Amino acid sequence: GEDVEQSLFLSVREGDSSVINCTYTDSSSTYLYWYKQEPGAGLQLLTYIFSNMDMKQDQRLTVLLNKKDKHLSLRIADTQTGDSAIYFCAGGYSTLTFGKGTMLLVSP
Amino acid sequence: KAGVTQTPRYLIKTRGQQVTLSCSPISGHRSVSWYQQTPGQGLQFLFEYFSETQRNKGNFPGRFSGRQFSNSRSEMNVSTLELGDSALYLCASSLAGQSNSPLHFGNGTRLTVT
Repeated sequence: GEDVEQSLFLSVREGDSSVINCTYTDSSSTYLYWYKQEPGAGLQLLTYIFSNMDMKQDQRLTVLLNKKDKHLSLRIADTQTGDSAIYFCAGGYSTLTFGKGTMLLVSP
Repeated sequence: KAGVTQTPRYLIKTRGQQVTLSCSPISGHRSVSWYQQTPGQGLQFLFEYFSETQRNKGNFPGRFSGRQFSNSRSEMNVSTLELGDSALYLCASSLAGQSNSPLHFGNGTRLTVT
């Protein structure tokens, strides 16, 4: 089955860019996803990329996909304190497998 | 459009009891998936239902079961509760199933087993 790996923690200053990285094993994923989870809440769909795309931009969010290296990244421009949360990448074909999540801490 | 609604938000049960969790998907979504989230194991897939049929099942014991009704609402049941079943249970709906469309999650049911 799919295996998805993420770094566990990232700390940035407000106004900086944040880059969260993810690697996956299953190249048959149709889509790859980024979700955000705030304390006490469920997962919020942030953005997703079709597997035949290399890049997708959505306001402050940029997703890069390197299919050769099976590497996915999420860049958040002008990071705000409200972006502090846990970010999950997910992929898979018949069922989605989630990484363990990257905790992003944004300090003022 | 209303999001995914899960009830109840919190539950406290005793070992050996059983519990039923409920999920109402986004209107028009025919697929409902359930995940268990714990600090140690992260998010683990339980099962997916599409048009009242179980489409996929994760690696959980038979004590975990689910069903989907004709209006796409879904319930998940856990029998003979164990302490290790304490977790956040997340329901997610999608338009056409996990393979083809994004999952939209509810806020979860926090189950504590004592």
